[in-house]
Amino acid sequence: QVHLQESGPGLVKPSQTLSLTCTVSGDSVTSNDFYWSWIRQTPGKGLEWIGYIYRVDHPFYNPSLESRLTISVETSKEQFSLNLRSVTAADSAVYHCARYNQAAGGTFDFWSAGILVTVSS
Amino acid sequence: EIVLTQSPDFQSVTPGETVTITCRASQSIGSTLHWYQQKPNQSPKLLIRFASQSISGVPSRFSGSGSGSDFTLTINSLEAEDAATYYCHQSRSLPLTFGGGTKVEIK
Repeated sequence: QVHLQESGPGLVKPSQTLSLTCTVSGDSVTSNDFYWSWIRQTPGKGLEWIGYIYRVDHPFYNPSLESRLTISVETSKEQFSLNLRSVTAADSAVYHCARYNQAAGGTFDFWSAGILVTVSS
Repeated sequence: EIVLTQSPDFQSVTPGETVTITCRASQSIGSTLHWYQQKPNQSPKLLIRFASQSISGVPSRFSGSGSGSDFTLTINSLEAEDAATYYCHQSRSLPLTFGGGTKVEIK
């Protein structure tokens, strides 16, 4: 069974960088079959796809966040990470990591529990 | 960007009744529309893929239909455990997008 667990600080100061890591078990981040994704959720905007990474070094980003965003993979640790720079209060959200299964129609078939990140001084 | 508009935003339903949720895409997306269920304090769970394909382990009372730009999720004989927020999602093109969600409350 695939399991994803995110980790990182729950509080980030405005203008700083939000950094989260997702640890994958039951699968491999080097798999050619899946895209490793970040999604965030807020009461106001609902679910927002942030981006995903494919085959270790092929990231795809939401254009609305692309200028501030980096998604990368640490293969030795079976982890992938999110770095969102210059954050504001609008970046406060529950952040999920998820596996995107392109072969199964382009669906998110496994999700992490989600981590609440608040941007505040 | 493909915008997905769900309706209604909220529905209060008696157990045993049928629930119908619609999702309209801002442009034609074929059948690349999927449905998720999110219960309180849980992450979303895949319910239906490709508009109408069932997912292993999901009760048969959940069904989907539609193609192009208009889609429907139907829950027959609603049960108390179906209280949740339901989201549609399109995988036709990047950026991937989700509908705003429909919250189903049990009366």
